[in-house]
Amino acid sequence: AQSVAQPEDQVNVAEGNPLTVKCTYSVSGNPYLFWYVQYPNRGLQFLLKYITGDNLVKGSYGFEAEFNKSQTSFHLKKPSALVSDSALYFCAVSGNNRKLIWGLGTSLAVNP
Amino acid sequence: DAGITQSPRYKITETGRQVTLMCHQTWSHSYMFWYRQDLGHGLRLIYYSAAADITDKGEVPDGYVVSRSKTENFPLTLESATRSQTSVYFCASKPVSSGMHTDTQYFGPGTRLTVL
Repeated sequence: AQSVAQPEDQVNVAEGNPLTVKCTYSVSGNPYLFWYVQYPNRGLQFLLKYITGDNLVKGSYGFEAEFNKSQTSFHLKKPSALVSDSALYFCAVSGNNRKLIWGLGTSLAVNP
Repeated sequence: DAGITQSPRYKITETGRQVTLMCHQTWSHSYMFWYRQDLGHGLRLIYYSAAADITDKGEVPDGYVVSRSKTENFPLTLESATRSQTSVYFCASKPVSSGMHTDTQYFGPGTRLTVL
């Protein structure tokens, strides 16, 4: 069965420090991987995606993610966190059956 | 350019009442989706539509009805609301591409529904 896991419910990081939000997946075939962000009382916004090509994907607001096929991971990273990055982050994945599966979300808190 | 809008933003209703949540997009995107967001469950797909007059069930369709007579509108109706349908509902859209579930989706601001 296809699945996606965000192992951390919450991540806390100090402003200016690097941040990582983890995502692992299990799908049949080549995965399509997405990260979305949800700010309080807002809808989800697309951050970045991996379809094919370079394993390091750069997205909006200085975020990037690395596709690691051997570890079946697609962790979201940013070199220097901002307080304004505090939000809920969702990983989503699609495999051969082309159904998009969403992770449960990780709440990121960046402390000043 | 309004993009994708939802109305109402907040709704309180009673068990057994019919409720319709509206979704409107100005991009002429082919695909539209309805999700519900609940703590501990993340996002769950209720229904989706590939084009006008074409709809299909998602992961949790029971108790919901959709229609899509026009490309830009995708209303979601709870025929007889239950407390378990208390949730935040998001509408999303995306343009036609090679795969329905493999391209970026654009989300509305959400409707917070409370069923008493």
